[in-house]
Amino acid sequence: QKEVEQDPGPLSVPEGAIVSLNCTYSNSAFQYFMWYRQYSRKGPELLMYTYSSGNKEDGRFTAQVDKSSKYISLFIRDSQPSDSATYLCAIGSSNTGKLIFGQGTTLQVKP
Amino acid sequence: EAQVTQNPRYLITVTGKKLTVTCSQNMNHEYMSWYRQDPGLGLRQIYYSMNVEVTDKGDVPEGYKVSRKEKRNFPLILESPSPNQTSLYFCASRSSGRGDTQYFGPGTRLTVL
Repeated sequence: QKEVEQDPGPLSVPEGAIVSLNCTYSNSAFQYFMWYRQYSRKGPELLMYTYSSGNKEDGRFTAQVDKSSKYISLFIRDSQPSDSATYLCAIGSSNTGKLIFGQGTTLQVKP
Repeated sequence: EAQVTQNPRYLITVTGKKLTVTCSQNMNHEYMSWYRQDPGLGLRQIYYSMNVEVTDKGDVPEGYKVSRKEKRNFPLILESPSPNQTSLYFCASRSSGRGDTQYFGPGTRLTVL
């Protein structure tokens, strides 16, 4: 079993839709959780991170972590064509540099 | 400008010819990492370093070497490249602070014939 599993998609939605991206993880030793966005031919960029269970909101983006279920989600409200990208979840250890990524979900938001 | 730079950006080489991909960051970050990205497999960590002279294996270290002699530089060395190392490689760095942003370089696309 992979340490982080992510629905690969692709996912295609109309502009304005609410998007839900999900990952599960197996190793509860990792303490922080991140979502990255990667545009074509670019390196990933950090969207959000959190250390605790619950919701964290930043504009149209909400990251949700449920440590008891080992489940992390990213919600995008009022999705825009500029949100079209690959989204990667990641889990990390704050004590080391170890970071494990999901496979990535490719999202297309159609105008 | 805070950045991570990698060189070269594109490289085509042949099996067995040693190569080095350089990585440099200007943010005085302690942590640096190398990843490879392959279709369907996502980003996989090759090696990471927590500081000068401190390195550790990630998930896919076979066939790679790294060194961290200076804080700003973290080169990736392929002593004898093989076709299965054809991939897109990213270097990244972050500080040791809790939750600090990890910055990625622009990527190096390597093809081994």
